[in-house]
Amino acid sequence: EIVLTQSPGTLSLSPGERATLSCRASQSVSSTFLAWYQQKPGQAPRLLIYGASTRATGIPDRFSGSGSGTDFTLTISRLEPEDFAVYYCQQYGRSPRGFGGGTKVEIK
Amino acid sequence: QVQLVQSGAEVKKPGASVKVSCMASGYTFTTYYMHWVRQAPGQGLEWMGIINPSGGSTSYAQKFQGRVTMTRDTSTSTVYMELSSLRSEDTAVYYCARECTGVVMALGYWGQGTLVTVSS
Repeated sequence: EIVLTQSPGTLSLSPGERATLSCRASQSVSSTFLAWYQQKPGQAPRLLIYGASTRATGIPDRFSGSGSGTDFTLTISRLEPEDFAVYYCQQYGRSPRGFGGGTKVEIK
Repeated sequence: QVQLVQSGAEVKKPGASVKVSCMASGYTFTTYYMHWVRQAPGQGLEWMGIINPSGGSTSYAQKFQGRVTMTRDTSTSTVYMELSSLRSEDTAVYYCARECTGVVMALGYWGQGTLVTVSS
């Protein structure tokens, strides 16, 4: 089973700042099968990035994904007020298609 | 537009079973795989399993093997997730989620979630 570890657990930043979120896998993950989701309180998750770096439909270009092998990164170039949320990575190349533990991006 | 509408909240006693439904609309039901993901209060997302709405084949996370059953009804475009032998740790919001496309298997569409509370 591939275990995904996200860091940091919490990121305290101000609007306009850059956010860098990490997702590390216990085994190599094909970049084709790595996704990032955003979840706000009381809402279902929303797909942001798939294939490690492709933005889903309607996702602003301030969100970008990168990485390969065991190390993946989600970057939010300039935080907007609506970006403060919890972010999860997921690998969907092998079963079980597990998620990371999440990174909370909070307002400083 | 794609919509996944789930059944309402449930309260169950330990040892009981719960069956959550997810009705799909806005696309051809049998074309895309459906997943179930749960989230305990204040916790992260946990993948439970996947069902192919076309043939009904399933694959479950080992943690839930023997306790979970995913089925579908093509006549109503509905998938179901039944979890048995409930315990307090199963208290969570349960989501159905559809893959984006046959090639992009990330979860692009989500139901609104169903809260299942297990309490004596």
